[in-house]
Amino acid sequence: GAVVSQHPSWVICKSGTSVKIECRSLDFQATTMFWYRQFPKQSLMLMATSNEGSKATYEQGVEKDKFLINHASLTLSTLTVTSAHPEDSSFYICSARGGAANYGYTFGSGTRLTVV
Amino acid sequence: GESVGLHLPTLSVQEGDNSIINCAYSNSASDYFIWYKQESGKGPQFIIDIRSNMDKRQGQRVTVLLNKTVKHLSLQIAATQPGDSAVYFCAENEGDSWGKLQFGAGTQVVVTP
Repeated sequence: GAVVSQHPSWVICKSGTSVKIECRSLDFQATTMFWYRQFPKQSLMLMATSNEGSKATYEQGVEKDKFLINHASLTLSTLTVTSAHPEDSSFYICSARGGAANYGYTFGSGTRLTVV
Repeated sequence: GESVGLHLPTLSVQEGDNSIINCAYSNSASDYFIWYKQESGKGPQFIIDIRSNMDKRQGQRVTVLLNKTVKHLSLQIAATQPGDSAVYFCAENEGDSWGKLQFGAGTQVVVTP
């Protein structure tokens, strides 16, 4: 149990376009989802925390208008990178946390975004 | 965890030897810690966790030690295997209501034959 599906696994887009990444909890309801960004050979940096039905909480330094997060249901959160630029190229990873005590943090498989 | 943005330190270990990976955390309010393994191009994979009311926890071939006095966490891997080659991260739950996990800098483990 406790599977998180992240889609797409990789995407290439042109500068100035927007890209949407989906994160789904397949077998549990995720009251809270987290979005991380990871540059090559670096750690995961928390970008934002999203709760179902409410606005996301962004970490300091993360532009909320650039990284739009929507957590419309208990099983789906989306991250949209708007007006993407090459410096947004990174590995984006979501994590979901369910309400049951035995569900800790479950991570998606990540999305490799390349902006050209 | 330790400062993010730094390049990963590397631990080279011979197959069959024990590995010890260290992590310093910064927030004394953190009450829950997790070790993750990350292979290239994949998301983090849970290894073992420990709560702040414990100082040691054992799993299959892995042991986590927590020293709250010096805010230090370690992961010991017994009889390291080639499949253990990966990047290892410690993560801390800082005890806030969201349950946010902050990751340490990570250590690249390379298992040599």
